Amino acid sequence: DQQVKQNSPSLSVQEGRISILNCDYTNSMFDYFLWYKKYPAEGPTFLISISSIKDKNEDGRFTVFLNKSAKHLSLHIVPSQPGDSAVYFCAASAHNTDKLIFGTGTRLQVFP
Amino acid sequence: GAGVSQSPSNKVTEKGKDVELRCDPISGHTALYWYRQSLGQGLEFLIYFQGNSAPDKSGLPSDRFSAERTGGSVSTLTIQRTQQEDSAVYLCASSLDRINSPLHFGNGTRLTVT
Repeated sequence: DQQVKQNSPSLSVQEGRISILNCDYTNSMFDYFLWYKKYPAEGPTFLISISSIKDKNEDGRFTVFLNKSAKHLSLHIVPSQPGDSAVYFCAASAHNTDKLIFGTGTRLQVFP
Repeated sequence: GAGVSQSPSNKVTEKGKDVELRCDPISGHTALYWYRQSLGQGLEFLIYFQGNSAPDKSGLPSDRFSAERTGGSVSTLTIQRTQQEDSAVYLCASSLDRINSPLHFGNGTRLTVT
């Protein structure tokens, strides 16, 4: 039972364009969402988060959008840079638990 | 450099042997998590510590898996009688408090069971 789903295993985007990574969840108790970025042979690093009381959070080139009614969130990267090439994980948690549930990841490749 | 440190970085073991994986969290971080990532899979939650106690062990796949944390700091994950399906990257993460503090991950231990 995959509570957090990233249905696109990979995405290829040209440098300078927008990258949009999508994530769907099934548990309506989730109220905190995060995106992590992972390079090969390294642990994931925190990128950006959003609480369920918001529908948008922006940090530089990165914006996360949350649509609670659709149980969907997305990460926008604009403009995309070759250094953004990595695997991106969506994660979610519910306020009454301490467990962070991760999706299976989307591999983003930004080409020149 | 006070990041999360995991050792060993790589471990190859024979089926049936026991292994111990170590995690040194960031100093002052009270919460510690173990995850694993099997080939082509997402991050699978194993266990969570708050201080030295483990309120949530629900992710441990079998009774061959155990973990402890001492002094509110170092944690070890022990896998007894390893099986080939235990092969994965085992990731440790720590955070300042509870789940709404971002997790800081180590680089993981790649375990290969032959």
